[in-house]
Amino acid sequence: AQKITQTQPGMFVQEKEAVTLDCTYDTSDPSYGLFWYKQPSSGEMIFLIYQGSYDQQNATEGRYSLNFQKARKSANLVISASQLGDSAMYFCAMSEYNFNKFYFGSGTKLNVKP
Amino acid sequence: DGGITQSPKYLFRKEGQNVTLSCEQNLNHDAMYWYRQDPGQGLRLIYYSQIVNDFQKGDIAEGYSVSREKKESFPLTVTSAQKNPTAFYLCASSIKAGGSTYNEQFFGPGTRLTVL
Repeated sequence: AQKITQTQPGMFVQEKEAVTLDCTYDTSDPSYGLFWYKQPSSGEMIFLIYQGSYDQQNATEGRYSLNFQKARKSANLVISASQLGDSAMYFCAMSEYNFNKFYFGSGTKLNVKP
Repeated sequence: DGGITQSPKYLFRKEGQNVTLSCEQNLNHDAMYWYRQDPGQGLRLIYYSQIVNDFQKGDIAEGYSVSREKKESFPLTVTSAQKNPTAFYLCASSIKAGGSTYNEQFFGPGTRLTVL
């Protein structure tokens, strides 16, 4: 089974609008962390936001927030007030406490339209 | 500045040749990772290492080899046995592997390998 699933291969959003990128995960480990990374066309991977499985509140970092629904095993990324520079690939990832790997989803390509 | 360096940024090789991609980190991280990314795709784990002189195969290790003789270095060799080596290769490190939920991976800038 896939550990991380991103069902939106590509998305468009109008500049200044909010957009939600979906991510669901699968784990039996009660302790885990969820991450979102941004990958511009240059290829670098940029860390955006982190959510721990025991965190009571949804994580926020500037214009990024993580909508964490533990029972549904979803960790959607919300980008508010989209900017042209937000156009990139976005990857959801998970780290489990008891294991040594880092699992990535297949990514969502976001295009911000002016 | 602390970070991860990968060299070269672009690499061209003839088919049948082995090639070694460099990855160096000065973050004092225990764990290091190699990923392969094909155009428009996600990251696939090739090898990872939790500690010096130890490493484990990832999901697509066939045709690749690694070494971890020093904490800061984790070179990847793409051998002639790798059927389709043209791809973007990313190296990453984290403080440690396992034993933490906050295990952010820090990435290098990547190497684009083209086999002609």
